[in-house]
Amino acid sequence: AQKVTQAQTEISVVEKEDVTLDCVYETRDTTYYLFWYKQPPSGELVFLIRRNSFDEQNEISGRYSWNFQKSTSSFNFTITASQVVDSAVYFCALSEVLTGANNLFFGTGTRLTVIP
Amino acid sequence: DSGVTQTPKHLITATGQRVTLRCSPRSGDLSVYWYQQSLDQGLQFLIQYYNGEERAKGNILERFSAQQFPDLHSELNLSSLELGDSALYFCASSASGAGNYGYTFGSGTRLTVV
Repeated sequence: AQKVTQAQTEISVVEKEDVTLDCVYETRDTTYYLFWYKQPPSGELVFLIRRNSFDEQNEISGRYSWNFQKSTSSFNFTITASQVVDSAVYFCALSEVLTGANNLFFGTGTRLTVIP
Repeated sequence: DSGVTQTPKHLITATGQRVTLRCSPRSGDLSVYWYQQSLDQGLQFLIQYYNGEERAKGNILERFSAQQFPDLHSELNLSSLELGDSALYFCASSASGAGNYGYTFGSGTRLTVV
């Protein structure tokens, strides 16, 4: 079973529009971490955020914001006033603590294209 | 620069050959993780080493092996290469064995098997 589901395969928006990337996760652990990574066309994986399961406070970093809701097992990512440089593939990932799985389970990614 | 160094950046080789990918973790990090990113399988965890010892195994083929050396750099060995092994191979490092304090990824090695 998929531990992390990113149902949106591709999204296109016009520059300056807001866009939300969805992430739904599945875990039996009570302690876990959620991550978002950005993969620009150059290919590297850029860390954006890490959130632990006990901290449901939403976070804002510039144009980026994250909404974590344990009740719906979702960790959505919103980009406000999108820019062409935001064009990339975005991955949501889960790391479980208590099961001893020390690795990241990645979603399949959402390709965001920002049209100028 | 993330602090995690992967070499080479690109590698083109023929089927049946063997290659070695190298990763130097960020200074102070004891854990090294290897991931494979292919078009059909997405980003998949292969294997983790912590301070020289194998800690966790994922979907790593028997033709693949890895090790972590005393200076903490790691090598991923891929043998009897097949066309389907063409992928981007990432190395990540973390300070602890649990990896929950964050992972830092290298820029990847793009392997093309022809």
